[in-house]
Amino acid sequence: KAGVTQTPRYLIKTRGQQVTLSCSPISGHRSVSWYQQTPGQGLQFLFEYFSETQRNKGNFPGRFSGRQFSNSRSEMNVSTLELGDSALYLCASSLTGENYGYTFGSGTRLTVV
Amino acid sequence: EDQVTQSPEALRLQEGESSSLNCSYTVSGLRGLFWYRQDPGKGPEFLFTLYSAGEEKEKERLKATLTKKESFLHITAPKPEDSATYLCAVQGTTSGGGSEKLVFGKGMKLTVNP
Repeated sequence: KAGVTQTPRYLIKTRGQQVTLSCSPISGHRSVSWYQQTPGQGLQFLFEYFSETQRNKGNFPGRFSGRQFSNSRSEMNVSTLELGDSALYLCASSLTGENYGYTFGSGTRLTVV
Repeated sequence: EDQVTQSPEALRLQEGESSSLNCSYTVSGLRGLFWYRQDPGKGPEFLFTLYSAGEEKEKERLKATLTKKESFLHITAPKPEDSATYLCAVQGTTSGGGSEKLVFGKGMKLTVNP
């Protein structure tokens, strides 16, 4: 059974650019959540999508956005990149997002220079 | 707002030396408490979900327990391969009966020396 796939694994971008990260959930999973992980703040919730609708949103600026497609694949976009956006971005999928274990991908390591 | 505090932040053990990791939480209506293990450069790996006070779950050398305010991850006779960062997270309920986002603690880095 394939796990959660995130692409790309590594990314280097320049301040001011924008970036799009991709997440393919486990087959049959309809909930996809995105997290930002940094050494200082730990794992912080960005947003969750369920059946193409944003169900929950964290406390991040509007530069961070996402969407989910009909096949449950999800993308996350960050515009006008700042140095502080450098982090490991993790995607997690779940059957419904309620009471079921969330399975994480290996993440995309974003470095902003 | 839901909060999770893990202690200690880091722990060094000798192989075979049992110990416990603490996760204190505050949540408005607990939907579930989750334990994850994360190895360097990888995403968190799911270990357990606990739903109500008094519940316990075991997997190999790990045992997770839950009270109304805390969860403990007990590690019995650890091995070097148990070295990792252990993360605790809670998911609360919304006023409408739905589920809140997962809120994570900052993790506890465990090192087991041979």
